[in-house]
Amino acid sequence: AQKITQTQPGMFVQEKEAVTLDCTYDTSDPSYGLFWYKQPSSGEMIFLIYQGSYDQQNATEGRYSLNFQKARKSANLVISASQLGDSAMYFCAMREEGRPGKNNAGNMLTFGGGTRLMVKP
Amino acid sequence: ETGVTQTPRHLVMGMTNKKSLKCEQHLGHNAMYWYKQSAKKPLELMFVYNFKEQTENNSVPSRFSPECPNSSHLFLHLHTLQPEDSALYLCASSQDRTGGDTDTQYFGPGTRLTVL
Repeated sequence: AQKITQTQPGMFVQEKEAVTLDCTYDTSDPSYGLFWYKQPSSGEMIFLIYQGSYDQQNATEGRYSLNFQKARKSANLVISASQLGDSAMYFCAMREEGRPGKNNAGNMLTFGGGTRLMVKP
Repeated sequence: ETGVTQTPRHLVMGMTNKKSLKCEQHLGHNAMYWYKQSAKKPLELMFVYNFKEQTENNSVPSRFSPECPNSSHLFLHLHTLQPEDSALYLCASSQDRTGGDTDTQYFGPGTRLTVL
């Protein structure tokens, strides 16, 4: 079973409008972290926002916010006031605290398949 | 600019060649990672190093050989690759395993590898 599911392979949004990118996850670990990354055509993965499983409030970072619904195991990314530069691939990722590397070192991220967002002028 | 650089950005090699990918981080992090991103597949973790020690090898074929001489540098040595190894290879670094957002991984721009 996939741990991270992004059901929207591609989406269009009109410039200046808001858009929601879906992400659902599967874990039995009570402690985990959720991340969103943006990957423009240049290839670099750019960190956008983080949500911890015990955080009481939804994370926000500028125009990005994370709609965290723990009971539904969803962590949707909301981008407000879309800009042309937002056109990119967006990846949701999860770190499970119960899955450390050897000697509890490093941390293991599981990525979803991504959503390609295209902003229309 | 995230503070993680990778060279070269593009590489074309034959199946009998030997080449190396280099990653350098200027963030003072202790953990470094290699990922492979193939077309239409999720990002795959290959190797994890923490304080220069390899802590994870995600069943990667031996034709990929990582090296981490210090916490700032990470190499991926390539030899006798196959065409299916063509992909974007991404390097990342993070502070260490303390939990929370301090474990955020920051990525480099990647090396796009083509194996002929």
